[in-house]
Amino acid sequence: QKEVEQNSGPLSVPEGAIASLNCTYSDRVSQSFFWYRQYSGKSPELIMSIYSNGDKEDGRFTAQLNKASQYVSLLIRDSQPSDSATYLCAVTGRAGSYQLTFGKGTKLSVIP
Amino acid sequence: DAGVIQSPRHEVTEMGQEVTLRCKPISGHDYLFWYRQTMMRGLELLIYFNNNVPIDDSGMPEDRFSAKMPNASFSTLKIQPSEPRDSAVYFCASRGIQGVTEAFFGQGTRLTVV
Repeated sequence: QKEVEQNSGPLSVPEGAIASLNCTYSDRVSQSFFWYRQYSGKSPELIMSIYSNGDKEDGRFTAQLNKASQYVSLLIRDSQPSDSATYLCAVTGRAGSYQLTFGKGTKLSVIP
Repeated sequence: DAGVIQSPRHEVTEMGQEVTLRCKPISGHDYLFWYRQTMMRGLELLIYFNNNVPIDDSGMPEDRFSAKMPNASFSTLKIQPSEPRDSAVYFCASRGIQGVTEAFFGQGTRLTVV
C-alpha cells in the first residue's frame, strides 16, 4: 500500500516568514513528486513539481527532494495571507506510472 | 482551453437513488482520473483511464460504484444505490503525456446523500 504522509497542521506562520511543509512517502520506486495548493471549497492546483534529488526554486517557492530519505518538502518564502490554504503532497509510482497518490494535506495559515 | 469540466457542481439526493457524475477532460489528454475527497480520508483515487480504457479500479469502494469512458471527451461515475457515506467531493482530473506531467483538476462535484 503506497502511503504519503503529511502533518495535518494547522501550521501558522506570521506574514513575511518562511513556511516549511514536509512530506514522506513509502514507495521507494516513486519517480515524480508534486505539491498542490487547495483553497477551501476549490480544486487542487499544481504549484511545484520535482523529479530529481536537490532543490527546485520557482519564485517564492522551493521544493526539496531527498529520495534516499523518501522525503519531500516545500518552502514558501515571504509568506503572504493569500498563501493560506491546504497544501497537498502527491507522488507517482515507478517510471511510466501516471497514478498520483496524495497525502491528506497540511493546512497553512499566514497571520497578517 | 476551458479546462476539465465537471457537472453537476452540487448534487443532493436521497439514499437509494442513482447518482451520475460527469466529466469532460482537457482535449488531447490521454489519462483521466476520478478522485473522492473527504475530511477523514483525504483525496482518494477511485479509478483511472488511459485512452478510454480503465487501467486501475482498485480504489472503487464497492460494486455500487461504476465508471465509464465511452470516448476521449467524456466520462461518468455512477453510484447506484447511493448511501449517506458516499457524501463527499468528487474530482475528475486529466493528464497528458507529451511534455506535460501534471494533472489538472475539475472544479469538483459536491455530493450530499440524505
